[in-house]
Amino acid sequence: AQSVTQPDIHITVSEGASLELRCNYSYGATPYLFWYVQSPGQGLQLLLKYFSGDTLVQGIKGFEAEFKRSQSSFNLRKPSVHWSDAAEYFCAVILTGGGNKLTFGTGTQLKVEL
Amino acid sequence: GAVVSQHPSWVICKSGTSVKIECRSLDFQATTMFWYRQFPKQSLMLMATSNEGSKATYEQGVEKDKFLINHASLTLSTLTVTSAHPEDSSFYICSARDPFGYSNQPQHFGDGTRLSIL
Repeated sequence: AQSVTQPDIHITVSEGASLELRCNYSYGATPYLFWYVQSPGQGLQLLLKYFSGDTLVQGIKGFEAEFKRSQSSFNLRKPSVHWSDAAEYFCAVILTGGGNKLTFGTGTQLKVEL
Repeated sequence: GAVVSQHPSWVICKSGTSVKIECRSLDFQATTMFWYRQFPKQSLMLMATSNEGSKATYEQGVEKDKFLINHASLTLSTLTVTSAHPEDSSFYICSARDPFGYSNQPQHFGDGTRLSIL
């Protein structure tokens, strides 16, 4: 079945440590790929997106993500996490030709230990 | 940048009442808006796509008579939860399609409405 998978429900890292959040998709064609962040009780903020071209994309707040076609993955990374990065992170896709309809992964809750 | 305003941010009401949630695009015209529902510690589930001047398109399993959507203008879509019951309690988020397409971002999100039915 077509899906977006975020294998890690919860991740805890120490402030200053590096971070990688995993995202895998299973679609016949490469979809458009996105990472969003959601603070408690808030809407969603776009961190970065991948459509085509350079497989390493830079986003806001020091985040980056790498698209790996062979692994059907689009993992989010940050070299040094700040306490304010604690939030829920969602990977999302739009299928090519699917309009603007976003399909979200299950989300990863990030906790940052001081 | 583009902003989507959602109102109210939090509402508590008695079982059996109807609740209306508004979603406004503040500085662009949104021909398409989306309504999502999010249960605690879960992902966003698309409920329906709201199209200005036409009927909304509901996702499978969403009761259209329960969740009434009206998109009467290019800047406003409303979601009315009719005869709300405790199981309708949830976090509802709207978004508006970016008029400039994917080059910016696909959708601009409101801050959500926390609905609690007693």
